Amino acid sequence: EPEVTQTPSHQVTQMGQEVILRCVPISNHLYFYWYRQILGQKVEFLVSFYNNEISEKSEIFDDQFSVERPDGSNFTLKIRSTKLEDSAMYFCASSEGQGAKAEAFFGQGTRLTVV
Amino acid sequence: DAKTTQPPSMDCAEGRAANLPCNHSTISGNEYVYWYRQIHSQGPQYIIHGLKNNETNEMASLIITEDRKSSTLILPHATLRDTAVYYCIVRVGPFASNFGNEKLTFGTGTRLTIIP
Repeated sequence: EPEVTQTPSHQVTQMGQEVILRCVPISNHLYFYWYRQILGQKVEFLVSFYNNEISEKSEIFDDQFSVERPDGSNFTLKIRSTKLEDSAMYFCASSEGQGAKAEAFFGQGTRLTVV
Repeated sequence: DAKTTQPPSMDCAEGRAANLPCNHSTISGNEYVYWYRQIHSQGPQYIIHGLKNNETNEMASLIITEDRKSSTLILPHATLRDTAVYYCIVRVGPFASNFGNEKLTFGTGTRLTIIP
């Protein structure tokens, strides 16, 4: 079964450093998303991306965050200057967007630890 | 915020049916009920969705009341691997033109523990 893959599985970074989290969505999917989950808290929406532009972003997704689809397969989340409170699991998801099987498929996540 | 209410936790004996309730009294006529689960900090996993008819797939069954104000997810023969947090989410249907752009809003879900 096709799946969303995320790398790395765990990233440790120093406060103030830039990090890039990488995702390979399912190949025929058109919609891409990032969610995050701080330890012990809810899964929170960050951003959705379609047709090479952001469709919607949450209040969390401020100027420190950016997303990119640099080629036909990868979808990245960049945090420009990490803060301690950015420590969380980050989940990438993708979807066909519409239709009987349009549900979102999630990757296994990247655990980001900011020290 | 989430439009659903779920019990925070439930236990179920291994091999028995697990019945997870969800209240969604403000659901609109064009909104569907979706269920996802999250096994120990892994990515959420889609289970099933429905509008008003009962639905069944290889993972679970979904029973939606006639007034659509509540539903029950049924795992017919629970195994230890079904221990997870289960989320009930109300959202527009999969054929809506804005479905792909609409975010999933996760509540706190029900933590289901399968007991050996």
